[in-house]
Amino acid sequence: AQSVTQLDSHVSVSEGTPVLLRCNYSSSYSPSLFWYVQHPNKGLQLLLKYTSAATLVKGINGFEAEFKKSETSFHLTKPSAHMSDAAEYFCVVSPPFSGGYNKLIFGAGTRLAVHP
Amino acid sequence: DTEVTQTPKHLVMGMTNKKSLKCEQHMGHRAMYWYKQKAKKPPELMFVYSYEKLSINESVPSRFSPECPNSSLLNLHLHALQPEDSALYLCASSPLGSLEKLFFGSGTQLSVL
Repeated sequence: AQSVTQLDSHVSVSEGTPVLLRCNYSSSYSPSLFWYVQHPNKGLQLLLKYTSAATLVKGINGFEAEFKKSETSFHLTKPSAHMSDAAEYFCVVSPPFSGGYNKLIFGAGTRLAVHP
Repeated sequence: DTEVTQTPKHLVMGMTNKKSLKCEQHMGHRAMYWYKQKAKKPPELMFVYSYEKLSINESVPSRFSPECPNSSLLNLHLHALQPEDSALYLCASSPLGSLEKLFFGSGTQLSVL
């Protein structure tokens, strides 16, 4: 069975400081992993994805994530937070052999607050 | 055009009303999805359509009735909803089998009184 655990429900940082949002996954197979961002009352936007290529994945808006199989982790980082990064972030795993459609398994989400 | 467009953005309805949510995409995607998202929770899959046919129904109550009239449109018909059905309803689309090309709409914020 596939599952994903986001270790922090809330993270608060100051503008200009690094961001770390933690995610651990459980998967019987080599998973596909994603980070999505959701601003208030908006849909979800894909930040980045890991699909068994490079383990360090770069995404949009300066975010990146590293796939660590030994630690079953896929933490999201950004060197310097911006006020516009304040949002809800979801770590997502997609099991293989989904029959041609995307059945995504979402983590509970991490709310990122950025203070001036 | 890389957008999934949902209308209306906001909807308030009574428990005896019938209403419909609409979703449209022109990316040629043959898989379309409805998700339900309660406040401060992750989205939950409701329905999946592939090639305009219902592929997945995640045990959704019959008061929610999806419809895919063509490859660009997806509707969600609502009837006799309950207040606990109040949520953000998200539509998404993707090419079949393409995990990294899933696009979400901005959603319809539904309030059931």
